[in-house]
Amino acid sequence: DSGVTQTPKHLITATGQRVTLRCSPRSGDLSVYWYQQSLDQGLQFLIQYYNGEERAKGNILERFSAQQFPDLHSELNLSSLELGDSALYFCASSPFDRNEQFFGPGTRLTVL
Amino acid sequence: QKEVEQDPGPLSVPEGAIVSLNCTYSNSAFQYFMWYRQYSRKGPELLMYTYSSGNKEDGRFTAQVDKSSKYISLFIRDSQPSDSATYLCAMSDSGGSNYKLTFGKGTLLTVNP
Repeated sequence: DSGVTQTPKHLITATGQRVTLRCSPRSGDLSVYWYQQSLDQGLQFLIQYYNGEERAKGNILERFSAQQFPDLHSELNLSSLELGDSALYFCASSPFDRNEQFFGPGTRLTVL
Repeated sequence: QKEVEQDPGPLSVPEGAIVSLNCTYSNSAFQYFMWYRQYSRKGPELLMYTYSSGNKEDGRFTAQVDKSSKYISLFIRDSQPSDSATYLCAMSDSGGSNYKLTFGKGTLLTVNP
């Protein structure tokens, strides 16, 4: 157990809908990262937050957004969902001064 | 050319074998190198973390980094059936507190009893 929690474990929804994925980092970690894992693309970095502020952006679609709250938990919002958004979404966290990232168990999103 | 290339396998070995997993990369700014193990439908688990070139050993696992060749390796000695998983290499540059990881696509390893 990495200490990173993610909810829900599974999410099944329809095209055009909006969902919110939630992540709680390890105790004391200030950085939260979101990744998407699909069979064809592998693990792709989406976005990083550090102590409430956006720090880095990767291949994140405009339909996707994220935020980190004062208690350091983070949410990833996915809207206008398409079939191709079906994937595993992972959250990871790291201490403020190191880039060893610890991953949560993931949320499996299925868009029908 | 992808930034990180990793042979997807699958790789099948008998129990007790020495396993060698490799990645090549093109971005010379990468300085931090990691290996993750991912069991089916689980989150990646950090196995090894190295900085710059050199070797690091932890139990049955040895990580090697050759920055001049842009090549990293993970060796598993005395492999066990419980080592059966997908192994992902990951890398990042030293961009302050922006530590986004770039991953290889993973190598699927099966260790047969």
